[in-house]
Amino acid sequence: ILNVEQSPQSLHVQEGDSTNFTCSFPSSNFYALHWYRWETAKSPEALFVMTLNGDEKKKGRISATLNTKEGYSYLYIKGSQPEDSATYLCAFRNNAGNMLTFGGGTRLMVKP
Amino acid sequence: DAGVIQSPRHEVTEMGQEVTLRCKPISGHNSLFWYRQTMMRGLELLIYFNNNVPIDDSGMPEDRFSAKMPNASFSTLKIQPSEPRDSAVYFCASSYGVSGANVLTFGAGSRLTVL
Repeated sequence: ILNVEQSPQSLHVQEGDSTNFTCSFPSSNFYALHWYRWETAKSPEALFVMTLNGDEKKKGRISATLNTKEGYSYLYIKGSQPEDSATYLCAFRNNAGNMLTFGGGTRLMVKP
Repeated sequence: DAGVIQSPRHEVTEMGQEVTLRCKPISGHNSLFWYRQTMMRGLELLIYFNNNVPIDDSGMPEDRFSAKMPNASFSTLKIQPSEPRDSAVYFCASSYGVSGANVLTFGAGSRLTVL
């Protein structure tokens, strides 16, 4: 069983605050790390896929970094808006043939 | 493309009844995944197919669960007989390839309630 941990489990911020949260995964046999955004009553939507140590990806106000040697990825949101409220999921795959294992998610709530 | 299409969106049934959930993946995607989402276990993979062939069904909870993919555009997940503990949201997702570096596109999910 692959251990993919996300922290914090939930986060309340004010509109305009910048925030970040963490995904931890096994540091050995890394293959890929995904981030998904999951709004209530909708389905998860892909944000980023990262495959190389040191990768940085950006989409608008959201960015992510990857450290495969120590087994973590950060997701940053700059100037949070109420529409950023969602659960953010990371998913990890190693090169041993296992499929994506999802973390438990970080539920972000942005207050206007 | 209409995306990954799942049906039904909601199903309420009684314990012991057969439940069939359906999925149409994105055209051109050759990998299909069935996930189950519960409060206790989060999003867990049940089974996945590559080129219509089941590759790994180790996540299927027990023999009451079965999945088929008769062609590239259709898959079913069947529970027979259903039990209250099967109540969950079942997601179907598809991707091009199983490499793990290709994003998954999820359907809207089928919310199952077994009374």
